[in-house]
Amino acid sequence: DAGVIQSPRHEVTEMGQEVTLRCKPISGHDYLFWYRQTMMRGLELLIYFNNNVPIDDSGMPEDRFSAKMPNASFSTLKIQPSEPRDSAVYFCASTPRTSGGVNEQFFGPGTRLTVL
Amino acid sequence: KQEVTQIPAALSVPEGENLVLNCSFTDSAIYNLQWFRQDPGKGLTSLLLIQSSQREQTSGRLNASLDKSSGRSTLYIAASQPGDSATFLCAVRPRRGSNYKLTFGKGTLLTVNP
Repeated sequence: DAGVIQSPRHEVTEMGQEVTLRCKPISGHDYLFWYRQTMMRGLELLIYFNNNVPIDDSGMPEDRFSAKMPNASFSTLKIQPSEPRDSAVYFCASTPRTSGGVNEQFFGPGTRLTVL
Repeated sequence: KQEVTQIPAALSVPEGENLVLNCSFTDSAIYNLQWFRQDPGKGLTSLLLIQSSQREQTSGRLNASLDKSSGRSTLYIAASQPGDSATFLCAVRPRRGSNYKLTFGKGTLLTVNP
């Protein structure tokens, strides 16, 4: 398997523009997570899905952020409108539902977002 | 609210030295604890996962221990190599229900000098 795939790897945009980040989880994984990493706050969970359904979105910072998972192999994280403080590295991760509850999370390479 | 702290924030050692990275967490009601490695500009790679019922896990030169009651975990790296240079993060998963929300520490930046 190719692992978790994210695109684009780098995104530079201007304040006010819409940004869409994409993620393809590992095939067969039931859970998908979106994280944001900054120097100040470290790695924070934004939202996670189970079987394409959002389970916990308490980490989504504000209404400008939205995430969807239309099918088991694709998810998007959208920021509209973007602001300079949204600049960060955004990671997608996935994990399978296994018996015994061992749920190691596998991370994608991340998307580095810069909002000017 | 769970808080995870990693000390030190940065560590520089000569090649060949054995070293210990520390992770502490405030809420001992955890399901498991996971150690990750992050290389500059890259994603996270899982190194070891310890279930709450376990005391330690080993993989090659790495050994992770867990003392849930005291809220501590350590990652021991034997015979360090320059290729071990990276940021090491620990993360805990809560025990409550089927919550998969990991809480991460801010990491320890390790530099192993040749």
